[in-house]
Amino acid sequence: DQQVKQNSPSLSVQEGRISILNCDYTNSMFDYFLWYKKYPAEGPTFLISISSIKDKNEDGRFTVFLNKSAKHLSLHIVPSQPGDSAVYFCAASGSSNTGKLIFGQGTTLQVKP
Amino acid sequence: GAVVSQHPSRVICKSGTSVKIECRSLDFQATTMFWYRQFPKQSLMLMATSNEGSKATYEQGVEKDKFLINHASLTLSTLTVTSAHPEDSSFYICSATDTGGGPLYNEQFFGPGTRLTVL
Repeated sequence: DQQVKQNSPSLSVQEGRISILNCDYTNSMFDYFLWYKKYPAEGPTFLISISSIKDKNEDGRFTVFLNKSAKHLSLHIVPSQPGDSAVYFCAASGSSNTGKLIFGQGTTLQVKP
Repeated sequence: GAVVSQHPSRVICKSGTSVKIECRSLDFQATTMFWYRQFPKQSLMLMATSNEGSKATYEQGVEKDKFLINHASLTLSTLTVTSAHPEDSSFYICSATDTGGGPLYNEQFFGPGTRLTVL
C-alpha cells in the first residue's frame, strides 16, 4: 500500500521555466511533509518542508504548497536551473512516528539548458 | 549541516556470506537512526528504526534475523546482512536524527548510501 505517491516518474523543463513536482498521500495522520533531492548513488539531501498547519512554505527558488483537503502537495522550482536535474522525493511523517519517513517513488527532473 | 557517513560505499560479496554496513553521525549525537533500502528506480523503503541502547524496530515484512541492527553508541549504527543472497542486492541508506532535544532536534540527515551486490 503506497501511502505517498508521486505519479509522474519524470519531468522535463526548459531552463528558466517553472518546474512543478506533485505528490499525493492517503494517510490523514501525516502532519509533516518534506522534499528531498537525490543524485544517483548518493543519499537524499533535504530541500524544504511544510507542516500541516501551513499551506505554503517558501525558500528561495523553492516553494512547497500543501492542500490538506485534497491530500496533495507540490514543489515549485522557479526559475529552474540545469543543476536542479536530479530525482526528487516527497516524504511524509506523522506526529505519532517521530522521525519515521514514508517516501514517494520519486520524480526525475531534467532541466534542459 | 550535519554529516552522516556510511562505510563501505560499495561492496560485492558471494552468496551466503555476511556483510556489515556502518552508519556514523560525524558531528552530532544521533539518538535515532533509520535504515532504508532502495531498489532501482523505486522509492526508499524504511527497513527499521534504531534507537541507541535498545532493540531496533523493524517494519512489516523485514526479517530481523536477516538484517541485524546494532546501535551501540550515539554516533554509530551497523546493519549486518546475514547469509546474503542475490535478492538482497540493493542500495542501503541510513539516516540519523537527534531526537534528544539537541540543536539538530528532529532533523533527519542521510548518509551517502552503500551499494551491495551479492553474486
